Amino acid sequence: EAQVTQNPRYLITVTGKKLTVTCSQNMNHEYMSWYRQDPGLGLRQIYYSMNVEVTDKGDVPEGYKVSRKEKRNFPLILESPSPNQTSLYFCASSWSGRTYEQYFGPGTRLTVT
Amino acid sequence: GENVEQHPSTLSVQEGDSAVIKCTYSDSASNYFPWYKQELGKRPQLIIDIRSNVGEKKDQRIAVTLNKTAKHFSLHITETQPEDSAVYFCAASPPSWGTSYGKLTFGQGTILTVHP
Repeated sequence: EAQVTQNPRYLITVTGKKLTVTCSQNMNHEYMSWYRQDPGLGLRQIYYSMNVEVTDKGDVPEGYKVSRKEKRNFPLILESPSPNQTSLYFCASSWSGRTYEQYFGPGTRLTVT
Repeated sequence: GENVEQHPSTLSVQEGDSAVIKCTYSDSASNYFPWYKQELGKRPQLIIDIRSNVGEKKDQRIAVTLNKTAKHFSLHITETQPEDSAVYFCAASPPSWGTSYGKLTFGQGTILTVHP
């Protein structure tokens, strides 16, 4: 089954404790992206990657890191999480020529206390 | 960078009525405009998209119109049903030849409620 998976689905952590949210897709998509969703603000892009070893900042990259060492994986790293990073995070992937047609993962609900 | 504004933030209709959601964008270079539907507790899913050289596109009860001159586009849902209840997001995508290709800018979302 073609899909995008994220882990963990739910995470409660404390300020400053480094964490990684994994994202994997099995559709051989070149493009992958991370978003955060907050009430009233819609989906805001954090980082995106057009292909392996190529990453670019989205609209809200501060406080986040990403890497793209393999085509199928695109982990999101919060090196020192803060409460304002409490949010619902989505990973997405697509073909590089159709980045408007993105397939989203199930989401990760992160709470930073 | 691109800015997408979406209205209304909430929309309540009776089953069978039509619903219209409007979005404006700021970057005249944007050339693809997708719409995503997110049911409660689920992931966003693409429902329709329109390219900048097309004025209107239909898919059964859903249609999208684009006014490139005015930089606005709209989602029209006819004969609404309770299962249309969801959050709808519009978005704008830059052209593949631009430096910002890969960025996708979303609107703030519209919560649509269809009452039986």
